[in-house]
Amino acid sequence: DVKVTQSSRYLVKRTGEKVFLECVQDMDHENMFWYRQDPGLGLRLIYFSYDVKMKEKGDIPEGYSVSREKKERFSLILESASTNQTSMYLCASSLKGAGNTIYFGEGSWLTVV
Amino acid sequence: KQEVTQIPAALSVPEGENLVLNCSFTDSAIYNLQWFRQDPGKGLTSLLLIQSSQREQTSGRLNASLDKSSGRSTLYIAASQPGDSATYLCAVRGDYKLSFGAGTTVTVRA
Repeated sequence: DVKVTQSSRYLVKRTGEKVFLECVQDMDHENMFWYRQDPGLGLRLIYFSYDVKMKEKGDIPEGYSVSREKKERFSLILESASTNQTSMYLCASSLKGAGNTIYFGEGSWLTVV
Repeated sequence: KQEVTQIPAALSVPEGENLVLNCSFTDSAIYNLQWFRQDPGKGLTSLLLIQSSQREQTSGRLNASLDKSSGRSTLYIAASQPGDSATYLCAVRGDYKLSFGAGTTVTVRA
């Protein structure tokens, strides 16, 4: 079974802190994604990576950056956390090619106070 | 921009009844459509993937149909059980990106 692991399930951070959300997948997938999910707004794509060191902006990249130094790991970075970044963050992965199933992790709940 | 709509937003049925969940999308230039299940506070579990060239896909009690030209998909869940209670999301894939609907929250009453 495909496993997408988000190491932190619940985090509470202070405004202005730098926050790292880590995601690891174990199926040698080329594509990795970061989404955020908010009530009333649904899931929105933050960033996407199709290979090591490659990244593309999604719909809402402002205030975020990403890092993909190894194929299995995709990190989301909040350079200076703000309260409007309080949300559920979901990581996902898939094989390259648009026809493949996308698999999601369990999510990371981030609260910024 | 792709818009994905799911109707109804919420559904409550007695155990044993069949469930019908609807999904519509505005741009028919898609690669595939994926149905997910989400339990409260959890991530998304993939249920079914239908490629744009397919008309339907089945897995156990689940059956999903796709009419790409009219921009519609339907998820059928036969003989519902309380364990089917969850939020069901559909998502359409254009190139690398998934566009999601807001979901249908299903409650199956024992």
